[in-house]
Amino acid sequence: AQRVTQPEKLLSVFKGAPVELKCNYSYSGSPELFWYVQYSRQRLQLLLRHISRESIKGFTADLNKGETSFHLKKPFAQEEDSAMYYCALRASGSARQLTFGSGTQLTVLP
Amino acid sequence: EAGVAQSPRYKIIEKRQSVAFWCNPISGHATLYWYQQILGQGPKLLIQFQNNGVVDDSQLPKDRFSAERLKGVDSTLKIQPAKLEDSAVYLCASSLLRSSGNTIYFGEGSWLTVV
Repeated sequence: AQRVTQPEKLLSVFKGAPVELKCNYSYSGSPELFWYVQYSRQRLQLLLRHISRESIKGFTADLNKGETSFHLKKPFAQEEDSAMYYCALRASGSARQLTFGSGTQLTVLP
Repeated sequence: EAGVAQSPRYKIIEKRQSVAFWCNPISGHATLYWYQQILGQGPKLLIQFQNNGVVDDSQLPKDRFSAERLKGVDSTLKIQPAKLEDSAVYLCASSLLRSSGNTIYFGEGSWLTVV
């Protein structure tokens, strides 16, 4: 069975400071990793996925299979980055269900 | 492109009553998901449909929860009888296919409070 752990429920940083949201996973196969974001009063939406190796809104995330981690990073946080962030894993196999972590609430202070 | 639509947005019921939630996925999306999100936790998959067939319902409490997608488009999730611990946001989501590379799009959720 797969599991996603986000150790920080709350994270506060000042505007312009670097931010890192931690995500660790356990899964015996080859996973797909995602970061989803939920801004205040908006629906959950995909931020980025590891297979794309892209930078979205200045955020990047690298899959580290040795450490089973997929931390989300941004060098200079903005106030509009304040939101709830969920790390998620999609397993291989017929169902390919998405398993979410418990989320980290990021607050960027002015 | 219209997003995933859900109704009702909010519902308050007493324990042992029943409730039903409706979901209309994005047009053309074959895969539909129902997630339960309890306060302070991440979404947890309840059931996954591929067209009108169930792919995964291993985490659906089948003694009280049921879901259907009869024509492979809209879906309903029913809880009967409700318990206090069913208080949560019920998220519907859809994707074009189940395979890699297909983004899952979420609805705004239906907030259920059981008193």
